[in-house]
Amino acid sequence: DQQVKQNSPSLSVQEGRISILNCDYTNSMFDYFLWYKKYPAEGPTFLISISSIKDKNEDGRFTVFLNKSAKHLSLHIVPSQPGDSAVYFCAASRGRDDKIIFGKGTRLHILP
Amino acid sequence: DTAVSQTPKYLVTQMGNDKSIKCEQNLGHDTMYWYKQDSKKFLKIMFSYNNKELIINETVPNRFSPKSPDKAHLNLHINSLELGDSAVYFCASSQGQGYTFGSGTRLTVV
Repeated sequence: DQQVKQNSPSLSVQEGRISILNCDYTNSMFDYFLWYKKYPAEGPTFLISISSIKDKNEDGRFTVFLNKSAKHLSLHIVPSQPGDSAVYFCAASRGRDDKIIFGKGTRLHILP
Repeated sequence: DTAVSQTPKYLVTQMGNDKSIKCEQNLGHDTMYWYKQDSKKFLKIMFSYNNKELIINETVPNRFSPKSPDKAHLNLHINSLELGDSAVYFCASSQGQGYTFGSGTRLTVV
């Protein structure tokens, strides 16, 4: 029972262009959403989050968009850089203090 | 200075053995977690402890027993290891927003 779905296992983007990673969720009780980035042989690291009271949150090159009616969120990275090549996990929880449910991840390749 | 450290990083063992994975955090966080990333790459929560008390147990087999001697440590003991236990196990800690993860322990049961 996947409550958080990342339907694209991988994505390739040219350096300098925009990377858009998508995520869907099924549990309408989720009200806090996060993106994590993971390099090989390392643990996931927190990237950016958004609460359900907002529809956009921006941090430097990273912007997360939330569409509650569609139960969809996306992560935009612009411009994409080689160091952005990693696996990106979408995650959600019911409030900031509840357990976090992760998606399966999307592997992003930034092409030179 | 590693914030969440797990040992060992790699563990290869035979079926039926008992093994432990240790986790320590120096962030002063109250809550610690164990997650399992299986071959399908899903990161699934197993346990959560808050200030040494178990608060989440996600229908994990009894062979898995977490132990938290203090709020900075959350160890995972696994009895009678099975082939299906092969995975990467991540420890994490939090204080409200977001988690800080360790670098993972790759367990291979042969």
